[in-house]
Amino acid sequence: GAGVSQSPSNKVTEKGKDVELRCDPISGHTALYWYRQSLGQGLEFLIYFQGNSAPDKSGLPSDRFSAERTGGSVSTLTIQRTQQEDSAVYLCASSLVRLSGGAGNEQFFGPGTRLTVL
Amino acid sequence: RKEVEQDPGPFNVPEGATVAFNCTYSNSASQSFFWYRQDCRKEPKLLMSVYSSGNEDGRFTAQLNRASQYISLLIRDSKLSDSATYLCVVNIAAHYKLSFGAGTTVTVRA
Repeated sequence: GAGVSQSPSNKVTEKGKDVELRCDPISGHTALYWYRQSLGQGLEFLIYFQGNSAPDKSGLPSDRFSAERTGGSVSTLTIQRTQQEDSAVYLCASSLVRLSGGAGNEQFFGPGTRLTVL
Repeated sequence: RKEVEQDPGPFNVPEGATVAFNCTYSNSASQSFFWYRQDCRKEPKLLMSVYSSGNEDGRFTAQLNRASQYISLLIRDSKLSDSATYLCVVNIAAHYKLSFGAGTTVTVRA
């Protein structure tokens, strides 16, 4: 079946502009995650959704970042008043069940959105 | 101490060689362990889950040592296509966050 999809694949924007990044998880996956990866760095957790609610937003770097999920499916990550330090690859992942330990709860990643803030 | 630590490498090996590397994790309550592979400018892809008894998937063998809090990955008969960064990933029970290591880079040369 189809994997996780993200759009756009690349986004170049000017400092101060708002951007919206979209994620379509694997059908039936109830959990959805957003990560950020800067060049040459590891993955940084941003936010987790279970269904439409976000029990953990602790990874969002500032109040310029927000995310929502509707219909238990598509999610949008919004960055307001973008800054140059926001430049990174934003990765979305989904999993079948809420992770509570054990195999079978693996996360599957989309191809990411490469954001460049000039 | 970082939650997950890996030797960044790079491990440069000839085709056909065996290469192995470890990852240590800090939380003794961790319950789920995975190896992901990430190619340059691509998303991480699940390579294999790691089970308590250790498991094998073709040329790849993963081991878990709970007492010493490390997991290992061994690649036999290396192929050029095995060149990638291998991410050690640990999930803490009752938590949904995956802690990612920074990755171990493997380069297989002809």
